[in-house]
Amino acid sequence: AQTVTQSQPEMSVQEAETVTLSCTYDTSENNYYLFWYKQPPSRQMILVIRQEAYKQQNATENRFSVNFQKAAKSFSLKISDSQLGDTAMYFCAFMKYQGGKLIFGQGTELSVKP
Amino acid sequence: DADVTQTPRNRITKTGKRIMLECSQTKGHDRMYWYRQDPGLGLRLIYYSFDVKDINKGEISDGYSVSRQAQAKFSLSLESAIPNQTALYFCATGQVPYEQYFGPGTRLTVT
Repeated sequence: AQTVTQSQPEMSVQEAETVTLSCTYDTSENNYYLFWYKQPPSRQMILVIRQEAYKQQNATENRFSVNFQKAAKSFSLKISDSQLGDTAMYFCAFMKYQGGKLIFGQGTELSVKP
Repeated sequence: DADVTQTPRNRITKTGKRIMLECSQTKGHDRMYWYRQDPGLGLRLIYYSFDVKDINKGEISDGYSVSRQAQAKFSLSLESAIPNQTALYFCATGQVPYEQYFGPGTRLTVT
């Protein structure tokens, strides 16, 4: 069975600084997908970024980028130039290739301070 | 209009009552999911459906049942609610290998 672990329950960062959220996972699969979802206080789940395991290049979406280390089974999220609107719960999630089901980590609550 | 809608958005019910949470989507996806969110546990899968005739149990299906009335509709029922079913419930839809689209969530409190 696959598991996803986020070891940082809470983090804080000053506005305009950079912060990295950690995620590790366990799987015997070779092909899979990894996601970061954001949940602001509105509780809506919003996709931040997606990574295919077969791609060596790390995904990037504007201020958000990942460090995907397949051998280490690590998938961290870096937020650059943090903004107050980045304050949210962030979830790391795993999906098997052709699987469809998402397996989530416990979440990291990020606070961006002015 | 939202792609995935859930009703109700908030609900308070008593122990032993039957309750149904409804989900509709306009994305045209075959696959639909029900997740439960608890603090410190993330989201966990309750049930999922890959098409109208395909229903599967997820990680935590005990105490829940589902109905896929149409491609666009997927309902979750608690036959006899208990306090530890107090949680935030999300419906989602998606096409592999792409992301899942989530509804706004239903906050359920069982007293």
